[in-house]
Amino acid sequence: KAGVTQTPRYLIKTRGQQVTLSCSPISGHRSVSWYQQTPGQGLQFLFEYFSETQRNKGNFPGRFSGRQFSNSRSEMNVSTLELGDSALYLCASSLGFGATDTQYFGPGTRLTVL
Amino acid sequence: DQQVKQNSPSLSVQEGRISILNCDYTNSMFDYFLWYKKYPAEGPTFLISISSIKDKNEDGRFTVFLNKSAKHLSLHIVPSQPGDSAVYFCAARGNPRSGAGSYQLTFGKGTKLSVIP
Repeated sequence: KAGVTQTPRYLIKTRGQQVTLSCSPISGHRSVSWYQQTPGQGLQFLFEYFSETQRNKGNFPGRFSGRQFSNSRSEMNVSTLELGDSALYLCASSLGFGATDTQYFGPGTRLTVL
Repeated sequence: DQQVKQNSPSLSVQEGRISILNCDYTNSMFDYFLWYKKYPAEGPTFLISISSIKDKNEDGRFTVFLNKSAKHLSLHIVPSQPGDSAVYFCAARGNPRSGAGSYQLTFGKGTKLSVIP
């Protein structure tokens, strides 16, 4: 079974631009979560989607948004990019939306904002 | 406010010996805990998990211990192998059905394990 895939793997943008990252979950998985990883803050939760509905959102500004499609694929969007948005963005999928559902991560998208 | 803490940023262990990675949490509503391993340029890989109703879970060379009263968990790797060299993340999750806010995972900042041949 194929794992979680994320595209693109690397991205370079300039301040003020916007960016869209894509995530395809493991086949059959219906829940997708997004995380931001930076050296100083570790992995920080962005949001989680299940059945096309945002179930939970982390403490990030409104410039960060996401959505999930009927095939469970998900996208996240960052508008008006800032230098501090440079990070590894990780997507994780799980079978369902529950306490013991294990999240499996993709390889991440490395975003650099210049 | 860091709810999940991994106080050792790095750990070096000789090949064949035991590696012990520690994790402390502050939120008593957490009831499910996971360990992930991460190599550079890759996403975290799930290793092992434990529910708060247990105090130990084993999977091959990996054992996780949970001490709820101390709000502490540890990952033991025996024997350690050079391929275990990676960053290890501890993660915790609450259960909204028991009063926690959500199912989201809260991660520690990681411990870099180096296994020396």
